[in-house]
Amino acid sequence: DTAVSQTPKYLVTQMGNDKSIKCEQNLGHDTMYWYKQDSKKFLKIMFSYNNKELIINETVPNRFSPKSPDKAHLNLHINSLELGDSAVYFCASSQVADSPLHFGNGTRLTVT
Amino acid sequence: KNQVEQSPQSLIILEGKNCTLQCNYTVSPFSNLRWYKQDTGRGPVSLTIMTFSENTKSNGRYTATLDADTKQSSLHITASQLSDSASYICVVSARRNTGKLIFGQGTTLQVKP
Repeated sequence: DTAVSQTPKYLVTQMGNDKSIKCEQNLGHDTMYWYKQDSKKFLKIMFSYNNKELIINETVPNRFSPKSPDKAHLNLHINSLELGDSAVYFCASSQVADSPLHFGNGTRLTVT
Repeated sequence: KNQVEQSPQSLIILEGKNCTLQCNYTVSPFSNLRWYKQDTGRGPVSLTIMTFSENTKSNGRYTATLDADTKQSSLHITASQLSDSASYICVVSARRNTGKLIFGQGTTLQVKP
């Protein structure tokens, strides 16, 4: 009964490919997020959805496209992958924006 | 510029000892400050969250303090255990109800037997 689950855990792919990462939460939260953690361990927000509606879209290349089919799911699709996209991507959810975040265990993306 | 800085960058202590991690921030306006624990290969887990009016909050052996005047916070770990080995991340919410969080780079703590 994992609260926030994301798949796959590891993703190795070549430059130029398109890939997707899936995220699901069973906490009944209204808000979901995608974060990127770089090699220096900084976590930076990419997107936030509240009840399927996009509310935060940071300066992320438009090769990254989030999709929220319902409030329990937030998937991340990445087109034309680049070497610099290599990082750990975390999905998270919260009941409201100011409540604690519940994170998934991350997807380590390696672009070769 | 909104920033969160943590010190030390890394720390090694012996099991059973106490330690204190520091967090300074220049985020304005301030909504709340959070501490998260991130085990290797896992997502961060919330330890505490404090608003402007709170100056201390505990979660088991973890006690966080907040001085909103000096914009400093600390996380004190009492009677450390091997399982405390992790990264501890200080996070500041810049504005109420927006979900915009500023993350520190974390302090990596290693507890040795």
